[in-house]
Amino acid sequence: GAVVSQHPSWVICKSGTSVKIECRSLDFQATTMFWYRQFPKKSLMLMATSNEGSKATYEQGVEKDKFLINHASLTLSTLTVTSAHPEDSSFYICSAATSGSHRVKNIQYFGAGTRLSVL
Amino acid sequence: DAKTTQPTSMDCAEGRAANLPCNHSTISGNEYVYWYRQIHSQGPQYIIHGLKNNETNEMASLIITEDRKSSTLILPHATLRDTAVYYCIVRVPTTSGTYKYIFGTGTRLKVLA
Repeated sequence: GAVVSQHPSWVICKSGTSVKIECRSLDFQATTMFWYRQFPKKSLMLMATSNEGSKATYEQGVEKDKFLINHASLTLSTLTVTSAHPEDSSFYICSAATSGSHRVKNIQYFGAGTRLSVL
Repeated sequence: DAKTTQPTSMDCAEGRAANLPCNHSTISGNEYVYWYRQIHSQGPQYIIHGLKNNETNEMASLIITEDRKSSTLILPHATLRDTAVYYCIVRVPTTSGTYKYIFGTGTRLKVLA
């Protein structure tokens, strides 16, 4: 399968600071990446779809000014949690979708996730 | 909303086949069924996907009913390392022409020694 790298894997920050999470597709180009959020013992909740070279599409109820997404290249998308507060503490997971040129197209491959703790 | 429903949990004896069912009664004719699993505190791992024919790879087999309203993921010889939450997903088209996954609750599979 394809490899998606997510960094950092764990971050602790003070309330009011901003945190950036990176998602990279290492061995394929991804025009579309996705960001999810997961609370303990719950399923993944899609936050937004990140499209290379254009604005992200946010799911209903997700604050786009709070969760800034940038997809500047075909292998990198970033999620910035701005002015983080304790309620933003969660497990954030990204995925990248293979395109038609990949041997297995239209499959989402996931990063290992980032655990964010806001104090 | 997710387009799939799965049992909340299942147990399976080690070495036996694990059969995980999924209902997707509203699936459209050209929509694929995807299976992933998530081991605690990791990102989901791709297992297999299919459209209407049965599929097999090194991890599992996927059996899709003829009417495509349900499918079963089969792990032929379950091991303790297969203990995970298994998600059955039918992707949803977006307005931009791509597809997105809406995760349901999944099935928590526990493989017992």
